[in-house]
Amino acid sequence: DGGITQSPKYLFRKEGQNVTLSCEQNLNHDAMYWYRQDPGQGLRLIYYSQIVNDFQKGDIAEGYSVSREKKESFPLTVTSAQKNPTAFYLCAAGRGAGTEAFFGQGTRLTVV
Amino acid sequence: EDQVTQSPEALRLQEGESSSLNCSYTVSGLRGLFWYRQDPGKGPEFLFTLYSAGEEKEKERLKATLTKKESFLHITAPKPEDSATYLCAVNNNAGNMLTFGGGTRLMVKP
Repeated sequence: DGGITQSPKYLFRKEGQNVTLSCEQNLNHDAMYWYRQDPGQGLRLIYYSQIVNDFQKGDIAEGYSVSREKKESFPLTVTSAQKNPTAFYLCAAGRGAGTEAFFGQGTRLTVV
Repeated sequence: EDQVTQSPEALRLQEGESSSLNCSYTVSGLRGLFWYRQDPGKGPEFLFTLYSAGEEKEKERLKATLTKKESFLHITAPKPEDSATYLCAVNNNAGNMLTFGGGTRLMVKP
């Protein structure tokens, strides 16, 4: 079954804790992305990676960190520095510039 | 800075009532315009890619068109199962990332 797998689907975190969201792809795509979606809004780019061991900040990178040690994996860590972490997080993968990205089913993070 | 504006924010249609969704964009060198469908609580599902003005793509009841300033998603004789949020995104020639609009929430009533 090919595609993008995000886990967990739901995640609860206490204030002050870091949490890591998993994203795995078996599409063999070079580019991977993390987006954040707030209720009733579009998607905002957090980080993206065009190749292994390389990544760039998006529009709202503050309070987040990523790594890209393997082509198929692009985990996102939400740190305690992120002031409003409650949101729906979406991971995507694609072949790169000018091509479509394919999304996972998302992780809903709630800070309690 | 790339900008994507979608209108209307919400659209209510009766089953069979055709209409169009708009996506206006400002981008420094369009490399591609993308349409997605998103159901509540799910990730966006890819629909179409358009590359140049005048291009059209069709899939079932949906047809996407592109001009130099905007794209339209035409929905012909919609059914209740077409109810979803439709997202538009652009990619410029400076990088790989997609810039998204705020989406249009479509509700089709039987």
